[in-house]
Amino acid sequence: GQQVMQIPQYQHVQEGEDFTTYCNSSTTLSNIQWYKQRPGGHPVFLIQLVKSGEVKKQKRLTFQFGEAKKNSSLHITATQTTDVGTYFCVYNQGGKLIFGQGTELSVKP
Amino acid sequence: DGGITQSPKYLFRKEGQNVTLSCEQNLNHDAMYWYRQDPGQGLRLIYYSQIVNDFQKGDIAEGYSVSREKKESFPLTVTSAQKNPTAFYLCASKPAGLSYNEQFFGPGTRLTVL
Repeated sequence: GQQVMQIPQYQHVQEGEDFTTYCNSSTTLSNIQWYKQRPGGHPVFLIQLVKSGEVKKQKRLTFQFGEAKKNSSLHITATQTTDVGTYFCVYNQGGKLIFGQGTELSVKP
Repeated sequence: DGGITQSPKYLFRKEGQNVTLSCEQNLNHDAMYWYRQDPGQGLRLIYYSQIVNDFQKGDIAEGYSVSREKKESFPLTVTSAQKNPTAFYLCASKPAGLSYNEQFFGPGTRLTVL
């Protein structure tokens, strides 16, 4: 069946450094979403990507959907302590939303 | 205020007891979901419902049961058959339709079975 791998599992950065998490699928995805979960909190929707090669920006966050619609990435420029949390890629499988394993980001001030 | 509520935030139960977790939403969403999250892990889908009086098993439905008698409510029962029930349980909802995928999550219930 369709599987999505998210890497890395953990990332520790110094405040001000950049951060990237990658999501790779074995099959073509119709769309992909990204969520952020703060420590002790619940996931919050960030964005949805639908088109091949799509790039969307939200302030310091840049989201990309690959040309083949099999991979996606989230890049944060100049991380801040408020970026701490776990970032999940999520895809739709016939009405079910399947979460990747997540990348846990810690930021050292 | 519109949103999803889950209660209680923390729940303790003795082994062998069934327990029901509540999930209520006033967003008028058709679809509702239950996920389980273990420490350091992603979310795993337990059950989901796309319309009232209908629901489907997710990836880890064994030992759980649900009902969807009202659009606003999707309670989850953790039965004694669930071998490792201690976890963080998250409920979510979204409007119907495959093209709209933003899920809105409740604050979660941390269940500890002693």
